[in-house]
Amino acid sequence: KAGVTQTPRYLIKTRGQQVTLSCSPISGHRSVSWYQQTPGQGLQFLFEYFSETQRNKGNFPGRFSGRQFSNSRSEMNVSTLELGDSALYLCASSPGLAGGLDTQYFGPGTRLTVL
Amino acid sequence: DQQVKQNSPSLSVQEGRISILNCDYTNSMFDYFLWYKKYPAEGPTFLISISSIKDKNEDGRFTVFLNKSAKHLSLHIVPSQPGDSAVYFCAAAQAGTALIFGKGTTLSVSS
Repeated sequence: KAGVTQTPRYLIKTRGQQVTLSCSPISGHRSVSWYQQTPGQGLQFLFEYFSETQRNKGNFPGRFSGRQFSNSRSEMNVSTLELGDSALYLCASSPGLAGGLDTQYFGPGTRLTVL
Repeated sequence: DQQVKQNSPSLSVQEGRISILNCDYTNSMFDYFLWYKKYPAEGPTFLISISSIKDKNEDGRFTVFLNKSAKHLSLHIVPSQPGDSAVYFCAAAQAGTALIFGKGTTLSVSS
């Protein structure tokens, strides 16, 4: 079974621009979660989508948004980029049927650099 | 307020010895705990998990212990190998909410 894929793998943007990241989950998985990883901060939860609906949301500003399509693929958008948005953005998928108690499988991440 | 804490940012161990990585949590409602391993430039890889109704789970060289009264879990790797050198994240979940991660512990296994 193919794993979680994320595109692009690397991205360089300038402050004020917006960016869209894409995630394709493992086949059959209906839940997709997004995380931001910065040095020393671990993985911070952004949001989770299940069957095209946002099921959980972390404490990030409204500049961070996402959506999920009927094939479970998900996109994350960041508008008005700030220098502090430079991070590794990770997507994880899971079957999603255990109410948050199933194992999440991660993609390789998208490294975003904001100049 | 950090609900999942990994108080040791790094750990160095010799090949063949035991590695013990620790994790503390504050929320007694967590009912599922996981460990992930992460190499540079890769996403985290699921390693092992444990339900709150158990106190131990083993998978090959990896064993996770859960002490609910102390709100503490640990990951034991025996024997440690150089390929185990990575960042290890502890994570906790409760039904209906997102997975919460600690900040990670960097394990270095020297040969």
